[in-house]
Amino acid sequence: TQLLEQSPQFLSIQEGENLTVYCNSSSVFSSLQWYRQEPGEGPVLLVTVVTGGEVKKLKRLTFQFGDARKDSSLHITAAQPGDTGLYLCAGRGGSQGNLIFGKGTKLSVKP
Amino acid sequence: NAGVMQNPRHLVRRRGQEARLRCSPMKGHSHVYWYRQLPEEGLKFMVYLQKENIIDESGMPKERFSAEFPKEGPSILRIQQVVRGDSAAYFCASFQGLGQPQHFGDGTRLSIL
Repeated sequence: TQLLEQSPQFLSIQEGENLTVYCNSSSVFSSLQWYRQEPGEGPVLLVTVVTGGEVKKLKRLTFQFGDARKDSSLHITAAQPGDTGLYLCAGRGGSQGNLIFGKGTKLSVKP
Repeated sequence: NAGVMQNPRHLVRRRGQEARLRCSPMKGHSHVYWYRQLPEEGLKFMVYLQKENIIDESGMPKERFSAEFPKEGPSILRIQQVVRGDSAAYFCASFQGLGQPQHFGDGTRLSIL
C-alpha cells in the first residue's frame, strides 16, 4: 500500500517567517503534486514535480522532489496571512492513476 | 475550481435516509474520480468513472454506496441508509484522460443527524 506522510500536521507562524513542510513515502512515485485547500473549497493544484531532484519555484514557494522520487518538500519564504490553508501532497497510485493524498499540513500565518 | 460543479454544497440527512451527490465535470471531460475527506484528513479515493462505465470502485464501501456517470447528465454518488460515519466532505475531480490534470469541485459536505 502506498502511503504519503506529511509533517508537521499543524504549523502556526508569524507573518514574515519561513517554513518547510515535508511529504515522505517508502514508495517511489512517478510524480508528486502539491495542493492548497481553503475551508469550504476543493484542493487547488499548485505544482507537479516529475523528475528526481527537480526544484520548482512559484513566487515565494519552492518545491523539491527527492532524488529517489520518494519524498518532496515545500518551502515558503516570508509567509503571509494569505498563505494560510491546508497543504496536501499527492502522488499517482493505483492501477487507474487515482491520487493518493497525505493527510496535509494545516498552516496558519498570523499577521 | 471553476468548471467542476458539485451540488448540493451542503446536505443534511437523518440516519437511514438516502443521500445523492451530484458532480458536473468540466466541459470536455469524460472522466471523474470521487474522493472522500474526513475532518483534518487528506482525500481518499472512492471510485473512478468514465461515461457509462465504472472503471475502478476499489475505494468504495461494498454496501450502501453506488456511483454512476450516465451518457447525459452529472455523475451521481449515492449513499443508501446513511449512518453517522458517512459524515464527510465528498469531492469529485474531472479530467480529460489518464495522466491529465484533475480539476476538483468545491465538494458536498454531508452531515448525518
